[in-house]
Amino acid sequence: AQSVAQPEDQVNVAEGNPLTVKCTYSVSGNPYLFWYVQYPNRGLQFLLKYITGDNLVKGSYGFEAEFNKSQTSFHLKKPSALVSDSALYFCAVRDSASTGRRALTFGSGTRLQVQP
Amino acid sequence: DGGITQSPKYLFRKEGQNVTLSCEQNLNHDAMYWYRQDPGQGLRLIYYSQIVNDFQKGDIAEGYSVSREKKESFPLTVTSAQKNPTAFYLCASSSGIQETQYFGPGTRLLVL
Repeated sequence: AQSVAQPEDQVNVAEGNPLTVKCTYSVSGNPYLFWYVQYPNRGLQFLLKYITGDNLVKGSYGFEAEFNKSQTSFHLKKPSALVSDSALYFCAVRDSASTGRRALTFGSGTRLQVQP
Repeated sequence: DGGITQSPKYLFRKEGQNVTLSCEQNLNHDAMYWYRQDPGQGLRLIYYSQIVNDFQKGDIAEGYSVSREKKESFPLTVTSAQKNPTAFYLCASSSGIQETQYFGPGTRLLVL
């Protein structure tokens, strides 16, 4: 079975400071990992993904994430937060060993609040 | 929100009524998905379809039904058997081995 955990319901950061949103996962094979962002009453927007290769993945809007296999983590980061980054962030995982279900499993979401 | 459209944006359901949510994509994706999102919770998978004329139950399929007669379309019916249908419903599609899912704008279902 595949699962993902986002241990923080909310993260608060001042504008201009670096931000980190945490994600840990559990799969039996190798993970496919994704980050999405959701603004109020909107669908999810894709930010970045890790499939294989370089552990540091760069995505949209200056976000990046680091895959750490030993810690089973895929934390989302940004060097300098903007007020407009305030939104709900979801981490998702799929087990590459799964040949049946191809659907992603999503975390419960972390609300990022960036104060001016 | 890419090439995925969902309609209507808001839908009101009366007691005992079946309602259908529309999802259309022009991305030529093989796979399509329906998720339910409740306040303060993540996304839960209702149904998914990997190919036309085939679909599988997700984690919370009870009280819902789907069809996949065309590649572009994956409508979701919320039946009267779903006792707590108030939620935000999201449709997504994906294609290829790396399977990034792209989401529609969502439909908010409310019960009168």
